[in-house]
Amino acid sequence: DIQMTQSPPSLSASVGDRVTFTCRTSQNIGNYLTWYQHKPGKAPKALIYAASHLRSGVPSRFSGSGSGTDFTLIISSLQPEDFATYYCQQSYRTPPYTFGQGTKLEIK
Amino acid sequence: EVQVVESGGGLVQPGGSLRLSCSASGFIFSNFWMGWVRQAPGKGLEWVANIKQDGSETYYVGSVKGRFTISRDNAKNSLYLQMNSLRVEDTAVYYCAREGPAADSDYWGQGTLVTVSS
Repeated sequence: DIQMTQSPPSLSASVGDRVTFTCRTSQNIGNYLTWYQHKPGKAPKALIYAASHLRSGVPSRFSGSGSGTDFTLIISSLQPEDFATYYCQQSYRTPPYTFGQGTKLEIK
Repeated sequence: EVQVVESGGGLVQPGGSLRLSCSASGFIFSNFWMGWVRQAPGKGLEWVANIKQDGSETYYVGSVKGRFTISRDNAKNSLYLQMNSLRVEDTAVYYCAREGPAADSDYWGQGTLVTVSS
């Protein structure tokens, strides 16, 4: 199975900050990577698919980049509603489509 | 509007069985792969299983292989997860999700809680 490593495990930031999340995979997955936002008690929400494509309705302050084994999610200017846990997931070839362990974004 | 709604969760003893259901609406169900993802208390998301549009292919995470069975009924726009030989470590919120063209889970339900405890 493909292993996913997200860093950092947690992050403290303030409204207006620029934040960067990193996801690394154990093998080359091309651009088969999705980023999700998850708030407690809510359904996870897909933000970015195919590593860099913003889903319809997701604010443009979110952006994704990377290919191969190294990927990045950036929030350019944090808003209060962005505090959540962020997960990456690979969907390369045959399942299982593993998730990273998540990065919890907290208010500083 | 795309909607997926899970049901069937509850409390079950170790070794017991439970069947989860997911009812879908707002899209052509038979055109999409569907899957289940779970989140144990205090843990991250874990991909569990998925199934092809016509049910001809199914995949599972290693920890549930041989115990869980994913199935679908396209006539009823419904997805199922039959869980047998349940273990304490299967305790989690189980989410039903539609898989988009990039195999990303683009629509999710609110989840149903499964608790395995004696």
